[in-house]
Amino acid sequence: DGGITQSPKYLFRKEGQNVTLSCEQNLNHDAMYWYRQDPGQGLRLIYYSQIVNDFQKGDIAEGYSVSREKKESFPLTVTSAQKNPTAFYLCASSLTVNYGYTFGSGTRLTVV
Amino acid sequence: SQQGEEDPQALSIQEGENATMNCSYKTSINNLQWYRQNSGRGLVHLILIRSNEREKHSGRLRVTLDTSKKSSSLLITASRAADTASYFCATDCESSGDKLTFGTGTRLAVRP
Repeated sequence: DGGITQSPKYLFRKEGQNVTLSCEQNLNHDAMYWYRQDPGQGLRLIYYSQIVNDFQKGDIAEGYSVSREKKESFPLTVTSAQKNPTAFYLCASSLTVNYGYTFGSGTRLTVV
Repeated sequence: SQQGEEDPQALSIQEGENATMNCSYKTSINNLQWYRQNSGRGLVHLILIRSNEREKHSGRLRVTLDTSKKSSSLLITASRAADTASYFCATDCESSGDKLTFGTGTRLAVRP
């Protein structure tokens, strides 16, 4: 079945540590997105990529980095520069925005 | 920045009743989409309505769009306990490029 897979489901980060969240899709979608969701809040865009080897900052890119070396993969690194990383992270993909997004099941990151 | 604002923030109804959620936005859009999110999960695309459309149906869902008022409504008829979730509107703005901006969501609880 086609879909989008995020891993791990839960992730714990120590202070000062970088962590990488995985996002893989087999839908042949060109565009991929990373959103952050805080409790009771909407989604805020971190980074997005419309084509391989190209990506743009979203509204809250500081403290995060991404790469898009393959069409299927769009990993997100939460760096130590991100001061408040505890949140629920959602990855999505789409053919174009006119067709709606397909979301992964999310990664819950907690700083310990 | 968040383009859409849903109203109400929370809604509790009895099974079998209809649920209506509203979304207001600020700038001109190409299309507006509605998504559902079950607790701790990713979002699921429900329906997309284009800026030149006024109403759209999908099963028990009815979406209206009033571009003059910059608002949309989502009606769920004959609600079921399984409809309990958060519902988000998302807009594709003419100025935002190929990405969606999500609202803050309405939490719907359907009592059996």
